[in-house]
Amino acid sequence: DVKVTQSSRYLVKRTGEKVFLECVQDMDHENMFWYRQDPGLGLRLIYFSYDVKMKEKGDIPEGYSVSREKKERFSLILESASTNQTSMYLCASGTHLGWSGGNEKLFFGSGTQLSVL
Amino acid sequence: KQEVTQIPAALSVPEGENLVLNCSFTDSAIYNLQWFRQDPGKGLTSLLLIQSSQREQTSGRLNASLDKSSGRSTLYIAASQPGDSATYLCAVVSRGTGFQKLVFGTGTRLLVSP
Repeated sequence: DVKVTQSSRYLVKRTGEKVFLECVQDMDHENMFWYRQDPGLGLRLIYFSYDVKMKEKGDIPEGYSVSREKKERFSLILESASTNQTSMYLCASGTHLGWSGGNEKLFFGSGTQLSVL
Repeated sequence: KQEVTQIPAALSVPEGENLVLNCSFTDSAIYNLQWFRQDPGKGLTSLLLIQSSQREQTSGRLNASLDKSSGRSTLYIAASQPGDSATYLCAVVSRGTGFQKLVFGTGTRLLVSP
């Protein structure tokens, strides 16, 4: 089974701190994604990566950056955490479209609930 | 811009009932559609994926259908059980995006009571 592991289940940080959220997948997937999930707003894409050292902005990249130095690991960085970044963060991984004959599923980690005080 | 809507937002049923969850999307040019399950405070688990060329997919008591022309999908759950209680999300990948960028609905929260 595909495993996507997020390093922390719960995290509490102070305003202004630099925060690192780590995600590791074990299926050699090319694509990795960071979403945040907020009540009433659903899941929104922050950033994604389609290869090592490659990244693309999603719908809400402001205040975030990412790093992908190794294929299996994708990090989300909050340069200076703010209270409006309190949220559930979800990492996902998957293959390129078309590589599984149209059957390309996205696999999610268990999430990191981040509270910024 | 693709938008995905799920109705109802919440649903409460007694155990044993058959039920239907609805998902609609505004742009019919999709690559595929996935249904996910999310338990409280947890990540998402993929339930079913329907490719754009398919009409339905089945897994156990779950059946998902897709009508691209009308921009709709339904998730049918037969003989519901308390263990089915969770939030169900649908998400689409639009054609032309080039990557597996899902657009999600806000979900239907299902409660099945014993």
